[in-house]
Order: sequence, then C-alpha cells, then structure tokens
Amino acid sequence: GQQLNQSPQSMFIQEGEDVSMNCTSSSIFNTWLWYKQDPGEGPVLLIALYKAGELTSNGRLTAQFGITRKDSFLNISASIPSDVGIYFCAGLITNAGKSTFGDGTTLTVKP
Amino acid sequence: SQTIHQWPATLVQPVGSPLSLECTVEGTSNPNLYWYRQAAGRGLQLLFYSVGIGQISSEVPQNLSASRPQDRQFILSSKKLLLSDSGFYLCAWSNLANYGYTFGSGTRLTVV
Repeated sequence: GQQLNQSPQSMFIQEGEDVSMNCTSSSIFNTWLWYKQDPGEGPVLLIALYKAGELTSNGRLTAQFGITRKDSFLNISASIPSDVGIYFCAGLITNAGKSTFGDGTTLTVKP
Repeated sequence: SQTIHQWPATLVQPVGSPLSLECTVEGTSNPNLYWYRQAAGRGLQLLFYSVGIGQISSEVPQNLSASRPQDRQFILSSKKLLLSDSGFYLCAWSNLANYGYTFGSGTRLTVV
C-alpha cells in the first residue's frame, strides 16, 4: 500500500528558531494535509493543500504541495513553546475514502 | 457547526473483558468515519473506516470490530480484550467538502 516517509522523526529546538519538516512518497497524492497533535488530544488540521505547487500559510506556518505531487513540507517560523507536539502529514487520493498518514515528527521547543 | 463526540475519555479494563467505544458526529450527514489507534508517542494506525451505514472496511486483522448502526454513529468493539489492545483510540470524520479529518478527543484504554 501507499506509505509516507516523514522526517525528521523528532526535533529539539530553541524558542525562536525556525523549523522545517517534510513528507515524501513513492505515490502521487491529490491532497496533502498537515496536522498537529497536542499531548493527550486528537490531531487538529493545520493546513490543507489541494494543488501541485501550492504554497499556503496559516500564521507562522507555511506548507507546500510538491510539484511532483509526491512530497510536501511544513515550515514553522519563530517557534514558541506552544508549538510543542507531534506533527503529522497525510496524503489523500480523491475518492479513496481514507488518508495515508506519516509517522509524525515530535517537536520539542526549549524556552 | 460540526462536532464529534467520543467517550469515555479514559478506560481501564481487565484482560478478557468486552469493549465498546462510541463516537458520534453532529452537524453533517453521510460522513466518512474512522477509528485509529496510537501507541504512546507513535503514529496513527488505521483500524476501520466507513463510507456509509453498514459499510465497514477493516485495515488490520485483530480482535476488534466496528459497526455503524446509524449515519453519524461509529462503534468500536471487542469481545475479549488483550493486553496489546491498550492504546489511545481516536475517532475521526471527513466528507467530500472537507477532505481533512476532524478527530475526537480520544479514549485512553489500558488493559490490565
């Protein structure tokens, strides 16, 4: 089946630093999604990308849908302590009924 | 607005006991519904998904089952729990107007 390779697996950064994480796949997706999971909670959708090459921002977050449709990245600028959590990428093929999730990037921000 | 309810929040069950976790969605019709399990600090494992009443797709063979008795109700069950069934169970929904998933707040299950 389809698999997403999400990297890095974990990141330890200082408050104020920028963060970059990405997802790659051997398969093409029509939609890329990025989620954040706070400890003990369900993941929450951050950004959805629907078109190859699309670059979308949500506050300090920026995500891009790769031109090949096989990858996506998420950047967080000027990190703050509340950015701590697990970030998941997900790829979706229209009408497939389900998304394919990456294994997550665990972000730790030191004050 | 759409909301998703998942309960209970935490559950401690003995090995061999039955399980029933319920998830309901409000404010939308004919949603796709999903059950995921997450081990501590790990990724999301898709267990079951449903695109309509009575339609269940199983992703991972195990001693769990799912049912969708109503359009916006999704139930995860087991007849006899195993220690390995412990984990964080998440329900989610999506539809064609919103490909992104909306997750419930999760149930932390500990089998002892």
